[in-house]
Amino acid sequence: GIQVEQSPPDLILQEGANSTLRCNFSDSVNNLQWFHQNPWGQLINLFYIPSGTKQNGRLSATTVATERYSLLYISSSQTTDSGVYFCAPRRGGGADGLTFGKGTHLIIQP
Amino acid sequence: SQTIHQWPATLVQPVGSPLSLECTVEGTSNPNLYWYRQAAGRGLQLLFYSVGIGQISSEVPQNLSASRPQDRQFILSSKKLLLSDSGFYLCAWSPRNRDNYGYTFGSGTRLTVV
Repeated sequence: GIQVEQSPPDLILQEGANSTLRCNFSDSVNNLQWFHQNPWGQLINLFYIPSGTKQNGRLSATTVATERYSLLYISSSQTTDSGVYFCAPRRGGGADGLTFGKGTHLIIQP
Repeated sequence: SQTIHQWPATLVQPVGSPLSLECTVEGTSNPNLYWYRQAAGRGLQLLFYSVGIGQISSEVPQNLSASRPQDRQFILSSKKLLLSDSGFYLCAWSPRNRDNYGYTFGSGTRLTVV
């Protein structure tokens, strides 16, 4: 299956700071999602982004499929951004599920 | 709009007892359905997926089984729980035959086996 590496594994920032989270994957993909897992465990879909760039408020994401990586940008961090961020690509061509990385644990301090 | 429901939210079960977790999807037909587990630590592991009623694919050998008795219902079961079955179980769905569409997850069931 696809190998997924996320970096950094842990990140502690002050409120207002910007951050970049990286996801490297080992195979070509036709589906990639970024999720935020909140303290209650809920997985919240941030972006569906198999290629290109998308923006949603303070968050944006870029996937360069040919180079097998994706980046998640968080600007002007807020304490509510704390949690674990997962990258999850899928090769496609069937119904098999997403493969998750180990996540980046983000803590935003006030 | 589509919604996905999981229950119960939390469960504490003794070793050796049976398990049944249920997941239902509303507002769509013929979904692909998935069960994931998140053990201690952060990673999510795909356990089972289903493309239709009675069709189950298992990703890893384990003490668990899955069934899909109805189009929008997915059940995770065990006959005898082990301590290692503790974890956070998440159900997800995606549209059938649409690779270019995201997956949506339920709110999860936190299982503790004691």
